[in-house]
Amino acid sequence: AQTIHQWPVAEIKAVGSPLSLGCTIKGKSSPNLYWYWQATGGTLQQLFYSITVGQVESVVQLNLSASRPKDDQFILSTEKLLLSHSGFYLCAWGLGGRFAETLYFGSGTRLTVL
Amino acid sequence: DAKTTQPDSMESTEGETVHLPCSHATISGNEYIYWYRQVPLQGPEYVTHGLQQNTTNSMAFLAIASDRKSSTLILPHVSLRDAAVYHCILMNQGGSAKLIFGEGTKLTVSS
Repeated sequence: AQTIHQWPVAEIKAVGSPLSLGCTIKGKSSPNLYWYWQATGGTLQQLFYSITVGQVESVVQLNLSASRPKDDQFILSTEKLLLSHSGFYLCAWGLGGRFAETLYFGSGTRLTVL
Repeated sequence: DAKTTQPDSMESTEGETVHLPCSHATISGNEYIYWYRQVPLQGPEYVTHGLQQNTTNSMAFLAIASDRKSSTLILPHVSLRDAAVYHCILMNQGGSAKLIFGEGTKLTVSS
């Protein structure tokens, strides 16, 4: 069975500090990977997606970056956090293909920037 | 991506069958209709999807109008665990997924 693990579960960070969030998918090879962000009370926004190792496409910048160092790993990071980065970060995976792609989400990381 | 319209909220009682409507008047021929649900501080959960035919799984029944301009997610015998925000989303066939979430319908279930 496929599992998706996000870390950390929650973070409290200071403005201007660096951030690294991670996501690992087990049980599926070469998945498409996605980062989503949800401000408190807001709607989910897609930030990045990756269809293969080393390739990441940006959808919405938000002064964040993403990398895919391994087939099963997706990292979201920034060198300097802003207050506006607070929110709920979700990683998702899908298998792509010729038909519509179903996405499966992790349990998320809650980030508070003070 | 074409837009969907859903009611902001709906209320139900445990054991009832709930019909959640979604309007997608400008849907194109290669767009699938997806339903996800989300509870606070958890990731969205896939419920079901369809293209033209009605579909059913262990969670729900998806009824798609013959002209595809609307659909209804039917939840039989809801329980408290079904309380969530339900999102109706259109997804293009092929390529990388770009799920665009709107506000969805907040379903409240009372005992």
